[in-house]
Amino acid sequence: AQTVTQSQPEMSVQEAETVTLSCTYDTSESDYYLFWYKQPPSRQMILVIRQEAYKQQNATENRFSVNFQKAAKSFSLKISDSQLGDAAMYFCAYNDYKLSFGAGTTVTVRA
Amino acid sequence: KAGVTQTPRYLIKTRGQQVTLSCSPISGHRSVSWYQQTPGQGLQFLFEYFSETQRNKGNFPGRFSGRQFSNSRSEMNVSTLELGDSALYLCASSSGQGSHEQYFGPGTRLTVT
Repeated sequence: AQTVTQSQPEMSVQEAETVTLSCTYDTSESDYYLFWYKQPPSRQMILVIRQEAYKQQNATENRFSVNFQKAAKSFSLKISDSQLGDAAMYFCAYNDYKLSFGAGTTVTVRA
Repeated sequence: KAGVTQTPRYLIKTRGQQVTLSCSPISGHRSVSWYQQTPGQGLQFLFEYFSETQRNKGNFPGRFSGRQFSNSRSEMNVSTLELGDSALYLCASSSGQGSHEQYFGPGTRLTVT
């Protein structure tokens, strides 16, 4: 079974600054997908960004970008120019036929 | 396109009862997955339905079951409710192919007393 580890339970960032969330995973597969989801207080899970393992180029979606290190099985999320609306729980997820989630990182944005 | 909808949003049941939750996926999506979210166990996969067939199943007891209809709507049923079944139940919709990118509904908050 695939395991996903998020080692930072909480992260705090000043508005307009940058924060990086860590994620590692374990798999024996060579082709797979990785995702970051955001869950604000409303509890709605929102897809933030995805990465295809066979693509070496790191994915970017506006202020969100990833650093994908396949050999190290690492998949970190960088939030640039943090905004108050970025405050949420962030989950890293590995996808084969189902999503395996990490424990989540709570991001607090200080005004 | 309309997003994933789940009904009801909140539910309070008594131990021993049964409950049915409903999920309508994004139009055109044929895959529906169900997840349970609790503070202690985090997000756990229950099962996935694709074209009316259960395609994958997580490690939950047989009290948890589901089905999918021809219009891709899915229901999840939990029988003989236990206090530990109190959780947020999330439904996710995907095309069922390719990246299996999943889009979530707002969830159903189930409280068992």
